[in-house]
Amino acid sequence: EAQVTQNPRYLITVTGKKLTVTCSQNMNHEYMSWYRQDPGLGLRQIYYSMNVEVTDKGDVPEGYKVSRKEKRNFPLILESPSPNQTSLYFCASSTGVGNTIYFGEGSWLTVV
Amino acid sequence: KNEVEQSPQNLTAQEGEFITINCSYSVGISALHWLQQHPGGGIVSLFMLSSGKKKHGRLIATINIQEKHSSLHITASHPRDSAVYICAVRSRSSGSARQLTFGSGTQLTVLP
Repeated sequence: EAQVTQNPRYLITVTGKKLTVTCSQNMNHEYMSWYRQDPGLGLRQIYYSMNVEVTDKGDVPEGYKVSRKEKRNFPLILESPSPNQTSLYFCASSTGVGNTIYFGEGSWLTVV
Repeated sequence: KNEVEQSPQNLTAQEGEFITINCSYSVGISALHWLQQHPGGGIVSLFMLSSGKKKHGRLIATINIQEKHSSLHITASHPRDSAVYICAVRSRSSGSARQLTFGSGTQLTVLP
């Protein structure tokens, strides 16, 4: 079954404690991206990757890092989380930039 | 000004009604996506359009590139169609062609 898997799905953490949200896809997709969704602001792109070792900033990259060492994995790293990073996060993948997008189930992150 | 505007923001319909959700955008695009987000947060891609019209079951999506407008229609609506519908565009400009810009979403509630 085609899947984008995110972990953890729910997390409450404290300010400054580094965390990683993992994302894995089983469809051999080149394109992967991270979004955050906030009330009143909708979905916004954080980072994206066109392929292994190729990443670029989206609209709201501050406070986040990513890496793409393998095609299937695209982790999102919060080196020093702050309360304004409390949000719902989605990972997504597709075969190419203009093709159908597959979303993960979302990760609810609360930073206190 | 938002690059992607959706209307209406909220829509309540009776089961069986024909529903239209609109999306207008201000930039030249290479593709437009319609997404569905159910309560609980998961996002599913419904359509990807670059021209014309697509149909899948009771859902129809159209796009008019010249007018920079797209519509999502639901025929014979059902309570299980209740969700947030999100329009997203991919710009044609070289600097942002790899990013998606999202509308704020339309909350649809279909009453039995």
